[in-house]
Amino acid sequence: AQSVTQPDIHITVSEGASLELRCNYSYGATPYLFWYVQSPGQGLQLLLKYFSGDTLVQGIKGFEAEFKRSQSSFNLRKPSVHWSDAAEYFCAVASSNTGKLIFGQGTTLQVKP
Amino acid sequence: DVKVTQSSRYLVKRTGEKVFLECVQDMDHENMFWYRQDPGLGLRLIYFSYDVKMKEKGDIPEGYSVSREKKERFSLILESASTNQTSMYLCASSLVSGGGYTFGSGTRLTVV
Repeated sequence: AQSVTQPDIHITVSEGASLELRCNYSYGATPYLFWYVQSPGQGLQLLLKYFSGDTLVQGIKGFEAEFKRSQSSFNLRKPSVHWSDAAEYFCAVASSNTGKLIFGQGTTLQVKP
Repeated sequence: DVKVTQSSRYLVKRTGEKVFLECVQDMDHENMFWYRQDPGLGLRLIYFSYDVKMKEKGDIPEGYSVSREKKERFSLILESASTNQTSMYLCASSLVSGGGYTFGSGTRLTVV
């Protein structure tokens, strides 16, 4: 069965520091992988997605993620965090057969000035 | 752009009431989904549908049912609302291949 684990419920980083949010998935075939961001009171915004090809994916707002099949991971990174990046981040995996989309529990990012 | 519209932004219902949450998409997507979002639990899949009159249970279907009579409309039904169903409910749609998902703005349901 599909599942997604985000091991870190809450992360605090200083503005300007680098960021890595972890995501591990369980899925038998090649998955489609996504990262979404949700600011307080807002809807979900797609940051980036991986379907196939280059395992390093560039997204919006300076984010990138790397698909590592051997580790079943799709970690999100940003070299320098801005205060406006404070939000909740969700990793998700979709079945390439059915399109069924499953989310992780989310990681809340706090940015210190 | 694909639009997914949820009929209500906020809803307050009484325990035991039958509640209908409606979702309409305008881009001929095959797949439609209902999630509930709770703090610390992320988005959990309640039901999804990959075609008209077809449905499949997600991770937390208990206490819910769905209806998809037309391709563009996917309804979530709470047969007898309970306070533990107070939550934010999100609808989404996608092509069957899962290439792109579009989410509605959500319905915040409070059951009193």
